[in-house]
Amino acid sequence: QSALTQPASVSGSPGQSITISCTGTSSDVGSYKLVSWYQEHPGKAPKLMIYEVTKRPSGVSNRFTGSKSGNTASLTISGLQAEDEANYFCCSYAGSRTYVVFGGGTKVTVL
Amino acid sequence: QVQLQESGPGLVKPSQTLSLTCTVSGGSVSSGGYNWNWIRQHPGKGLEWIGYIYSSGSTYYNPSLKSRVNISVDASKNQFSLNLNSVTAADTAVYYCARCTIAMAFPNFFEDWGQGTLVTVSS
Repeated sequence: QSALTQPASVSGSPGQSITISCTGTSSDVGSYKLVSWYQEHPGKAPKLMIYEVTKRPSGVSNRFTGSKSGNTASLTISGLQAEDEANYFCCSYAGSRTYVVFGGGTKVTVL
Repeated sequence: QVQLQESGPGLVKPSQTLSLTCTVSGGSVSSGGYNWNWIRQHPGKGLEWIGYIYSSGSTYYNPSLKSRVNISVDASKNQFSLNLNSVTAADTAVYYCARCTIAMAFPNFFEDWGQGTLVTVSS
C-alpha cells in the first residue's frame, strides 16, 4: 500500500490529453508545494518531469503540466506521443518525521 | 548531468546484511545543496524511501527501517553506501540511489537516479 494513491493505468490515443492523479493527505500533498513527478522507462533511471507542483526542469517538454488541488496533485500530458508510454510516479514531502512519500505508479499506454 | 550507479550482490541470504554502493560521476557527493538517498521498490509495489546522508555524514532514516539501516559516505571515492541488516524476504526489492536537491532545508526533488539494482533475499 503506497502512501500516495495513483491509478494503476491510464491510456490515450496519440494527440490526446491524459491526466494522472496522485492523492495524498493533509500531512503531505495538501500541506506542501513539494510535489514532484517522475517518468520511468523499463531498465532506465527515473527522470524528473515536474517539481514544486508545477515547474518543469530544463529539457522537459511543455506538454507535461503539473497542478494541485487540496490533497490531490495531477500530471497532465497533452498531445500524447508514443515516447510518453512509461510508468509515472509522484512524490511529496511529508514532514520532518516521514520525510518523503511516493505514489504506486501509473502505467501510461499510448493506444 | 550527474550519473549514479548502484552496485552490490543481487542475492542475499535471510538474516544477513544487504550491502550496496552508489558511485557518483559527473558531480561530487561533497557538493552543497544536496543529500544522497536510498529508495527501494518492492515487486509490483510503489517506492519506499529508505534514508539519506549529507556529505557531512549527517543521516536520517525511514522510522520503519531505522533499527536496521546504516548509510555512509566516502567522499574520497565519491560513493555512498547502504547497509541493511537482518534481511528477510520482505526486503526483496529494486534498490535505487538518488540525489535530492535541497531548498531551504526541504527536499525539493530527486534530480538524478541510478538505474536500480534488484536484490533478492533467499536461501
